[in-house]
Amino acid sequence: DSGVTQTPKHLITATGQRVTLRCSPRSGDLSVYWYQQSLDQGLQFLIQYYNGEERAKGNILERFSAQQFPDLHSELNLSSLELGDSALYFCASSVEIKNTEAFFGQGTRLTVV
Amino acid sequence: GQQLNQSPQSMFIQEGEDVSMNCTSSSIFNTWLWYKQDPGEGPVLLIALYKAGELTSNGRLTAQFGITRKDSFLNISASIPSDVGIYFCAGTGANSKLTFGKGITLSVRP
Repeated sequence: DSGVTQTPKHLITATGQRVTLRCSPRSGDLSVYWYQQSLDQGLQFLIQYYNGEERAKGNILERFSAQQFPDLHSELNLSSLELGDSALYFCASSVEIKNTEAFFGQGTRLTVV
Repeated sequence: GQQLNQSPQSMFIQEGEDVSMNCTSSSIFNTWLWYKQDPGEGPVLLIALYKAGELTSNGRLTAQFGITRKDSFLNISASIPSDVGIYFCAGTGANSKLTFGKGITLSVRP
């Protein structure tokens, strides 16, 4: 158990809908990362937050947004969902901003039908 | 931007054999991490490297941070069936993004 908790574990929704994925980082970790993993793309970095503020942005679509709350948990919002958004979404956390180990949750498997 | 290259995409070895995986980058990285992912699970951190030249072991796994800071390798010795999975290298460079390679799928024949 990495100490990073993601909910829900599975999510099935229809195209055009909006979903929210939740992540609780390890105790004491201030940095949260979101990744998308699809079969053909590997682990794609979406966005990083540190202590409530956005620190780095990757290949995140405009339909997606994220935030980190004062209690350090984070949410990833996916809207106007398309079939191609079906993927595993992982959250990872680390103590600092960079140059440190990141620990992953078990992921949320999103299926858009 | 930062990119990490891992090849080949798949490796097939016999149980008991050693295997070595390489990860390269066109830019300098300050941290190198190696992860293993089992089907349906999140990546699990195997080894973290923080200094150029650093050689670190974790059981049958050994990894090194290349002197140029543009590469790293992971060795698995005396492979066993449970070593099967996808091995990712990852690193952080000048920015704070944790970048991943595309991974190598390792198969171990009993």
